[in-house]
Amino acid sequence: ETGVTQTPRHLVMGMTNKKSLKCEQHLGHNAMYWYKQSAKKPLELMFVYSLEERVENNSVPSRFSPECPNSSHLFLHLHTLQPEDSALYLCASSQDYPGVQFFGPGTRLTVL
Amino acid sequence: DQQVKQNSPSLSVQEGRISILNCDYTNSMFDYFLWYKKYPAEGPTFLISISSIKDKNEDGRFTVFLNKSAKHLSLHIVPSQPGDSAVYFCAAIAYGGSQGNLIFGKGTKLSVKP
Repeated sequence: ETGVTQTPRHLVMGMTNKKSLKCEQHLGHNAMYWYKQSAKKPLELMFVYSLEERVENNSVPSRFSPECPNSSHLFLHLHTLQPEDSALYLCASSQDYPGVQFFGPGTRLTVL
Repeated sequence: DQQVKQNSPSLSVQEGRISILNCDYTNSMFDYFLWYKKYPAEGPTFLISISSIKDKNEDGRFTVFLNKSAKHLSLHIVPSQPGDSAVYFCAAIAYGGSQGNLIFGKGTKLSVKP
């Protein structure tokens, strides 16, 4: 695997479900990011981890919970989501924070 | 309030001609600017960048111009190819300021017609 990978690529979940999105970077970077992309909106930064410590949390609802167990992996744990949370969730990494970011392919999330 | 604006949601260009994508910003602390390209069902891909100490950066068919006084940058693609059809995002960052994160515009969808 090269670059930034994300699994699953597509996820459909009910509002009472609990699921997790996974991101892995193979670039030797030490900063990782979660973004949300909704239709006709700019990319919204959700969380930033630098050297495995959270450095940014942009007023994201607590139903989204990030986890960064090491510099190569990043998770986004989801619980009791709302239909308006349906979006493309993108993971990115950079050599340093801040820095030029390299993105994964995204997870297309649909909340029913 | 949007700090990075791409006022044209779409642009259509004939193959072989020049594509010019525009971006305006409001925060004078931004000192590094990037363009990303995004195909459907893929994440954005870094394309080209420019530091605020320069006014032009060129990489093959892609050239980015920066006009700091106007807080405006543009991406030129010459010649345009059908494979360039994608959504292009402008992004800015303030390395030297308090805004340590990339701020993205909404994107411009480029269609290059054969």
